[in-house]
Amino acid sequence: EPEVTQTPSHQVTQMGQEVILRCVPISNHLYFYWYRQILGQKVEFLVSFYNNEISEKSEIFDDQFSVERPDGSNFTLKIRSTKLEDSAMYFCASSEALLIRYFGPGTRLTVT
Amino acid sequence: QKEVEQNSGPLSVPEGAIASLNCTYSDRGSQSFFWYRQYSGKSPELIMSIYSNGDKEDGRFTAQLNKASQYVSLLIRDSQPSDSATYLCAVNKSGGSNYKLTFGKGTLLTVNP
Repeated sequence: EPEVTQTPSHQVTQMGQEVILRCVPISNHLYFYWYRQILGQKVEFLVSFYNNEISEKSEIFDDQFSVERPDGSNFTLKIRSTKLEDSAMYFCASSEALLIRYFGPGTRLTVT
Repeated sequence: QKEVEQNSGPLSVPEGAIASLNCTYSDRGSQSFFWYRQYSGKSPELIMSIYSNGDKEDGRFTAQLNKASQYVSLLIRDSQPSDSATYLCAVNKSGGSNYKLTFGKGTLLTVNP
């Protein structure tokens, strides 16, 4: 069974610090996504990425956020200056086409 | 009005019973509908997708879609304790390559042995 992997599983950072969350999508997939879930809340779309560029982003994905596929295998989410409200579980996902079957296990980000 | 609405539960059923989970959505332009299962502390797992009105069956799971009523449901037959989880309804509006899923908050299902 193919799987999306994410590192680290848990990241603790201080407010105002930069964090980079890493994901390795499934190798033949073309579409990549970041979602987040604040504790007790719904899963929320952040951004989708296709053909080395952002294809869609939500209002949450402001200038503090960026995504990159630096080396053809990793897919990263950077938060430049973290806020307390960025504390959440961040899920990476990948898909071949129009169906998200696979989410990664998530990175729990705690901003103190 | 919330985009995707689900009863948060908890919904409690005995083992072997049918669990019925419901979801309504607000955008009539929605085209694709999904049910994900999420165990506590884990990531969502896709259970079913449905794109046209009617029923779609996969093993013990049946998804039902009624676009006129903007309603989608999931039936779980012969419920097992391992089915205990939060069930997330998700909707996609666009028919193109962009694939933004809008999730409901989920319904917590508990199956009692």
